Amino acid sequence: EAGVVQSPRYKIIEKKQPVAFWCNPISGHNTLYWYRQNLGQGPELLIRYENEEAVDDSQLPKDRFSAERLKGVDSTLKIQPAELGDSAVYLCASSSGPNTEAFFGQGTRLTVV
Amino acid sequence: AQSVTQPDIHITVSEGASLELRCNYSYGATPYLFWYVQSPGQGLQLLLKYFSGDTLVQGIKGFEAEFKRSQSSFNLRKPSVHWSDAAEYFCAVLRDKVIFGPGTSLSVIP
Repeated sequence: EAGVVQSPRYKIIEKKQPVAFWCNPISGHNTLYWYRQNLGQGPELLIRYENEEAVDDSQLPKDRFSAERLKGVDSTLKIQPAELGDSAVYLCASSSGPNTEAFFGQGTRLTVV
Repeated sequence: AQSVTQPDIHITVSEGASLELRCNYSYGATPYLFWYVQSPGQGLQLLLKYFSGDTLVQGIKGFEAEFKRSQSSFNLRKPSVHWSDAAEYFCAVLRDKVIFGPGTSLSVIP
């Protein structure tokens, strides 16, 4: 069974440019998470989806971050415009339900220069 | 507020020695509990989980963890560490969403 797939693995952009990350969850998983992990820290939740509905986006900086999960499967996280402080690893995870274990992708390492 | 603490930022052990990584949580009710491991440049891999029942849970790679309700703790243990266990370890709780601790970095001396 394929795990959570994220792309790209690495991305380097100049500040003020836009960037997008893509996530394909495990088949059949209705819950999808996006996390941001700064260097030397634990992941912090940005947004959680149940199917296509964002049920928790309280930690998503909405002035520059947006996310979508059309059709309740794949998801895209976008930053526009990117700032130097956005440099981090962006992790996607999925689970079969809101209170079940989450499985993580490899992450996208973003460097903003 | 819900929180997860891992008191040890960094631990160094000799190969073959025993290991215990500490985790404490602050929650209104007993949450579901997890330990994840992250090797450099990799995603998070689930080591073990506690939902209910036996408070001593076994995981992959020879790890185990013990849930102690009275201490709000979920410490991770391994009787004999291998060099390949060097990584970052995260304790996490789940109640609707997964909240992670800050992590403990483990170094293993050959």
